[in-house]
Amino acid sequence: QQQVRQSSQSLTVWEGETAILNCSYENSAFDYFPWYQQFPGEGPALLIAIRSVSDKKEDGRFTIFFNKREKNLSLHIKDSQPGDSATYFCAASDAGGLSGKLTFGEGTQVTVIS
Amino acid sequence: NAGVIQTPRHKVTGKGQEATLWCEPISGHSAVFWYRQTIVQGLEFLTYFRNQAPIDDSGMPKERFSAQMPNQSHSTLKIQSTQPQDSAVYLCASSLDGQYEQYFGPGTRLTVL
Repeated sequence: QQQVRQSSQSLTVWEGETAILNCSYENSAFDYFPWYQQFPGEGPALLIAIRSVSDKKEDGRFTIFFNKREKNLSLHIKDSQPGDSATYFCAASDAGGLSGKLTFGEGTQVTVIS
Repeated sequence: NAGVIQTPRHKVTGKGQEATLWCEPISGHSAVFWYRQTIVQGLEFLTYFRNQAPIDDSGMPKERFSAQMPNQSHSTLKIQSTQPQDSAVYLCASSLDGQYEQYFGPGTRLTVL
């Protein structure tokens, strides 16, 4: 059972456009949702994260929109740049529980065309 | 801040040999997580230590895999009798308190021939 699911395996956008990546989850106990950015040959890098008490988190060009009732969230990358081309992982954890282990989605490979 | 350090970056073993992977967490972080990344399975949780104590090993294969954290500055993941299906990138992450932000190292790419 895939507890965290990303709706697209790949996404191509033009430079300057807004890339929208979607994620859904099943476990109601999840209360912390980070997004990670990964380049080939590197480990995932924490990009931005939201806690379930919030419905929006913004950091520069990156914004998370969170819908607790629908159990989904999205990452918006505004003014996409070629350097944003990477794989993005949605993750979730029950941070208030015994284990802060992350459950990851399958990843979305974003390509920004200039 | 040097980030999470993982050594070696690449390891090649023959089937049946042992592999030991090392992780040095960010100084001051009390929690260490191990994950495995493959094309087929994606990113999977393996095990978690907080203040050197094992907290959750629910993702560890029951045989051949073991992890330790003998002191606050390093953790090891040992795979005995490696098999081709163990080939993966093994990622270590550390966290200040084990609850929220986890910072990953560059990973160790294990190839079992």
